[in-house]
Amino acid sequence: NAGVTQTPKFQVLKTGQSMTLQCAQDMNHEYMSWYRQDPGMGLRLIHYSVGAGITDQGEVPNGYNVSRSTTEDFPLRLLSAAPSQTSVYFCASSRPRQAEAFFGQGTRLTVV
Amino acid sequence: QQQVKQSPQSLIVQKGGISIINCAYENTAFDYFPWYQQFPGKGPALLIAIRPDVSEKKEGRFTISFNKSAKQFSLHIMDSQPGDSATYFCAAKKGNSGGSNYKLTFGKGTLLTVNP
Repeated sequence: NAGVTQTPKFQVLKTGQSMTLQCAQDMNHEYMSWYRQDPGMGLRLIHYSVGAGITDQGEVPNGYNVSRSTTEDFPLRLLSAAPSQTSVYFCASSRPRQAEAFFGQGTRLTVV
Repeated sequence: QQQVKQSPQSLIVQKGGISIINCAYENTAFDYFPWYQQFPGKGPALLIAIRPDVSEKKEGRFTISFNKSAKQFSLHIMDSQPGDSATYFCAAKKGNSGGSNYKLTFGKGTLLTVNP
């Protein structure tokens, strides 16, 4: 049982480049979300999805896009990377009415 | 507006001591209060959680104390061990109210160091 899998684990981008952070879960969870973690800031919600075809913005959505075409996958897209997007990104999933969220191992992104 | 405030930012405890981390919240709609533990290079993992209908929950060396009237909750780690050294996050979640019933609001985290 792999749980929540994020790829890549590390990435360096140049300012203005685009990329997609991948997230896949094999627990058939309906709810998936993306967080960014910055020193002293905790975990801040970027975007979330309550099911395939349904997404919504979190606390810090600017500069990021998401889509949810399947239950398993929830990719996060950076269209034009900026140094302010240097962070560690975590994907999480959970079931409806089940409180526990399961997190992936994270993607450490550096934008230079 | 920070909905969940966590303190202290960092904490150093000697082996065998008690570690205490505190959180306070504003929104009375929150009905689930988990603590997550994160080791370096790993994602957060659920450690222990409580709902507001109880004042305390204990799992092994870890205890959550909950004060509904004060809108505060805390994590106590008894007999702290070097292996407990990690970052701890408190969080809160609202009850069933459409899409928001899944969202976790996190505190900023506490870096715990347990010296041998």
